Amino acid sequence: DIQMTQSPSSVSASIGDRVTITCRASQDIAGWLAWYQQKPGKAPKLLIHGISRLQSGVPSRFSGSGSGTDFTLTISSLQPEDFATYFCQQASTLPRTFGPGTKVEIK
Amino acid sequence: EVQLLESGGGLVQPGGSLRLSCATSGFTFSNNGMSWVRQAPGKGLEWVSGISGTGDSTFYADSVTGRFTISRDNSKNTLHLQMNSLRAEDTAVYYCAKDFDRVGVVPTALGPNYGMDVWGQGTTVTVSS
Repeated sequence: DIQMTQSPSSVSASIGDRVTITCRASQDIAGWLAWYQQKPGKAPKLLIHGISRLQSGVPSRFSGSGSGTDFTLTISSLQPEDFATYFCQQASTLPRTFGPGTKVEIK
Repeated sequence: EVQLLESGGGLVQPGGSLRLSCATSGFTFSNNGMSWVRQAPGKGLEWVSGISGTGDSTFYADSVTGRFTISRDNSKNTLHLQMNSLRAEDTAVYYCAKDFDRVGVVPTALGPNYGMDVWGQGTTVTVSS
């Protein structure tokens, strides 16, 4: 199985800050990488697919980059509604696997 | 609008069984792969199982192989997860999710995709005596 890791596990940030979350796969997953946002008590929401393609309706302050095994989610200017937990997921092989999550908290 | 609605969760004793269902609408169900994902209390997301659009291909996480069975009824646009020999560690919120398949993908197969683009609200399974 492909193992996914994320760092940091949590980050404290202020409104307007730039936040970067990294995700690493244990083997090359080409472009099959997705990012999700989850708020407490809610289902995850797909933010980005194919490394860098924003899902419809997702604000442009979110962006994704990377290739092969190393990927990044960036929030360019943190907004109040962005405080949540973010998960990466590989969709290259079965079983699909998720990173452990990064909690973005208010500083 | 695409909608997914899970049902069937509840409290069950260790060793017991439950059958989860996910009623769908708003898309061509038979053309789309589907997944079950769970989240234990305070924990991250764990992909449990997936099934191709036709139901010909299925796959399971090691943690549930041999105990859980995924199936679908394309005539009723409904996804199921039969869970047997339940353990305390199966306690979680179970989400059904629509796979974001590549355009033109053969619906008999489970291959690389773009993730899961629509999720249900989840149903809670608690395994406890």
